[in-house]
Amino acid sequence: QVQLQESGPGLVKPSGTLSLTCAVSGDSISSDNWWTWVRQPPGKGLEWIGEIYHSGRTNYNPSLKSRVTISVDKSKNQISLKLNSVTAADTAVYYCTRDLGVDPSYSSDRKNDCWGQGILVTVSS
Amino acid sequence: DIQMTQSPSAMSASVGDRVTITCRASQGISNHLVWFQQKPGKVPKRLIYAASSLQSGVPSRFSGSGSGTEFTLTISSLQPEDFATYYCLHHNSYPYSFGQGTKLEIK
Repeated sequence: QVQLQESGPGLVKPSGTLSLTCAVSGDSISSDNWWTWVRQPPGKGLEWIGEIYHSGRTNYNPSLKSRVTISVDKSKNQISLKLNSVTAADTAVYYCTRDLGVDPSYSSDRKNDCWGQGILVTVSS
Repeated sequence: DIQMTQSPSAMSASVGDRVTITCRASQGISNHLVWFQQKPGKVPKRLIYAASSLQSGVPSRFSGSGSGTEFTLTISSLQPEDFATYYCLHHNSYPYSFGQGTKLEIK
């Protein structure tokens, strides 16, 4: 069973850098998956941040593109999210997940719905 | 960028009701649409992928339809555990985007 676990500071100062990691167990980070970050401000909807393939290929939301970096660490079987120049608007629960865009041709394993439990990051001085 | 618009934004219904939620894309997305359910304080849960394919383990009272720009999620007979917020997501092109959500409440 694939498990995802987000970790990182729960409080970041304005203008600082938000850094989170997502540890993957039960699957290899080098498998055929797009590892994804999604966030949700308190009381609001979901926002797609971006995704990474094990090759290092990334796709980002243009609304965040100049500030966001997603990377993969194969030795630790985890992905990371960095968001710089944060403001209060970046306060949100951050989720890591896998393959948001599911295709019917995927294997049953790849079609499994996998999410971390989410981590609340507050931007405040 | 493709915008996803859900309607209604909120609705109330009774146990046993048939409920339909609509998601419209600002341009054609083929069937590259996913529906999620989210309960308060919980992680989103995928219900439907490829617009109409039921996620494994999801009750058959949930169904999805549509292609192109208009999509629907239907719950054939509401159960108490179905009261939640529902989101659509397109993955036709980058950037992916979610609808704003539809909050389904008990009447």
